[in-house]
Amino acid sequence: GENVEQHPSTLSVQEGDSAVIKCTYSDSASNYFPWYKQELGKGPQLIIDIRSNVGEKKDQRIAVTLNKTAKHFSLHITETQPEDSAVYFCAASRTDSGGYQKVTFGTGTKLQVIP
Amino acid sequence: AAGVIQSPRHLIKEKRETATLKCYPIPRHDTVYWYQQGPGQDPQFLISFYEKMQSDKGSIPDRFSAQQFSDYHSELNMSSLELGDSALYFCASSLRDRGVSPLHFGNGTRLTVT
Repeated sequence: GENVEQHPSTLSVQEGDSAVIKCTYSDSASNYFPWYKQELGKGPQLIIDIRSNVGEKKDQRIAVTLNKTAKHFSLHITETQPEDSAVYFCAASRTDSGGYQKVTFGTGTKLQVIP
Repeated sequence: AAGVIQSPRHLIKEKRETATLKCYPIPRHDTVYWYQQGPGQDPQFLISFYEKMQSDKGSIPDRFSAQQFSDYHSELNMSSLELGDSALYFCASSLRDRGVSPLHFGNGTRLTVT
């Protein structure tokens, strides 16, 4: 089955600096890579995603890059703010032979933005 | 916009008791997923349903069962509770005909087994 590795497990940055979180996946059939942000006491919420036919996607201060050859994708947050502090999960998705989505999550990165 | 609704938010049970968790997906979403999240861990997939049929099964203990009803809401039934079942339980929903797509999570049920 799919295996998603995520690094680092914790990350502390000064407010205004950039943060980068990296994930690798093992299953070449995975073709959709969402990133979720989980705040304390809440469920994971989608912040950005990328499909396998795209190499990069940007939404304001957040960007995601995908290298299909290396099976590697990354989340970039620029000009970090204290409200960016949360746990971030990457995920890799594909559909199985029945057309049902199979999602594998990374182990999470706890981001702390220091004011 | 309507989100995924889970109830209850908090539940305290004793060992060997049973618990039922409920999930109401986003309107028109036909697929429901259940996840278990321990402290400091990533969500672990338990089970999913599409149109009331089980579509995939993960690391769900035999003591747990789940179903999806005709109105698409889902219930996770947990019996013979153990201390190790204490965790956050999330439900997520999506639309199958979109293939791979984001999961929309509820805010979870925190289960404490004493």
